[in-house]
Amino acid sequence: GAVVSQHPSRVICKSGTSVKIECRSLDFQATTMFWYRQFPKKSLMLMATSNEGSKATYEQGVEKDKFLINHASLTLSTLTVTSAHPEDSSFYICSASPPGQGGETQYFGPGTRLLVL
Amino acid sequence: GEDVEQSLFLSVREGDSSVINCTYTDSSSTYLYWYKQEPGAGLQLLTYIFSNMDMKQDQRLTVLLNKKDKHLSLRIADTQTGDSAIYFCAESRGSGYSTLTFGKGTMLLVSP
Repeated sequence: GAVVSQHPSRVICKSGTSVKIECRSLDFQATTMFWYRQFPKKSLMLMATSNEGSKATYEQGVEKDKFLINHASLTLSTLTVTSAHPEDSSFYICSASPPGQGGETQYFGPGTRLLVL
Repeated sequence: GEDVEQSLFLSVREGDSSVINCTYTDSSSTYLYWYKQEPGAGLQLLTYIFSNMDMKQDQRLTVLLNKKDKHLSLRIADTQTGDSAIYFCAESRGSGYSTLTFGKGTMLLVSP
């Protein structure tokens, strides 16, 4: 159990376009999902906490107008990178916590590799 | 400085035991985790330990926690080539959907 999927797994886009990444919890409902960004040879940095039915909570230094998060249902959160630039190229990973586990155990999606040309 | 630190690289031979170490700074950490990341993939939760425990064993994996020294280790017994991956230590502070702080990861290379 506790499977989290992401789509697409990789995407290449032109500079200036917007890209939407989906994160789904397949076998559980998640009121809270998390979005991370991973740079090469670096750790994961939390970007934002996505809350179902309310606004996302962004970490310091993350532009909320650039990284739009929508958590429209208990199984789906989306991250839209608006007006993407080459420096936005990265590996984006989402996670979710199944209910009944105190919110302490996060299960991660397989990640989405974004390349902006 | 980093809140969670790990050595960057470990090389072992197949069949040996691997020990990956991690130190953290926040004494209010409540849960400590080990995640595995294979090339190009997301993170797989391996195991976690609550801060009031000092050891947890799960098949080939043994987690040791020294809360006084804020030191966490992951021991993999009978390491296999399939264990080659990056291992991340992470900690969370507080209860209920708290966020994770990750170390930079330790790359484990297992040679035949």
